[in-house]
Amino acid sequence: KAGVTQTPRYLIKTRGQQVTLSCSPISGHRSVSWYQQTPGQGLQFLFEYFSETQRNKGNFPGRFSGRQFSNSRSEMNVSTLELGDSALYLCASSLGRALTDTQYFGPGTRLTVL
Amino acid sequence: SQQGEEDPQALSIQEGENATMNCSYKTSINNLQWYRQNSGRGLVHLILIRSNEREKHSGRLRVTLDTSKKSSSLLITASRAADTASYFCATDAGGSYIPTFGRGTSLIVHP
Repeated sequence: KAGVTQTPRYLIKTRGQQVTLSCSPISGHRSVSWYQQTPGQGLQFLFEYFSETQRNKGNFPGRFSGRQFSNSRSEMNVSTLELGDSALYLCASSLGRALTDTQYFGPGTRLTVL
Repeated sequence: SQQGEEDPQALSIQEGENATMNCSYKTSINNLQWYRQNSGRGLVHLILIRSNEREKHSGRLRVTLDTSKKSSSLLITASRAADTASYFCATDAGGSYIPTFGRGTSLIVHP
């Protein structure tokens, strides 16, 4: 089976712009979760989608949003980018809900905000 | 603050030695997972242990869970240079389904 894929792998944006990241889960997986990883805060949960419904959301401002399509592919959007949004954004897919089942992570999208 | 905290923050050992790292958490959990992250393979799931389990094995990995002490340990036996990575525990913070990761233990295995 193909693994979790994320596009793009690297992205450079300037403050105030918006960005959309994409994640394709492993075939058959219905749960997609997004995480932000920074040296300062570590790995932080953004949100989880299961069968097109957002099931959980982490403690992030409303500038961070996401959605899941009927084929389980997911997108994450960050509006009005700030310098502090520079991070590695990881997507993970699983058969069941995150943490009740094995999560398979993609390689991540490295976002740099200038 | 993090739900799970790994200890030690860094660990340096020789190939063939065992490596033990610990994870402590604050609130009750349903599940706890261990992950490994290195630059070559990204973040990889190692073991999931449920709150009603005390020990699980996977190859050279052994995970224990003590819910009374709110702690878990990951033992890597006969370590190899390829085990060099950061190791994270993740919990669900009392069944909230919100995964919470610790800061990780950085393991270096010298050949």
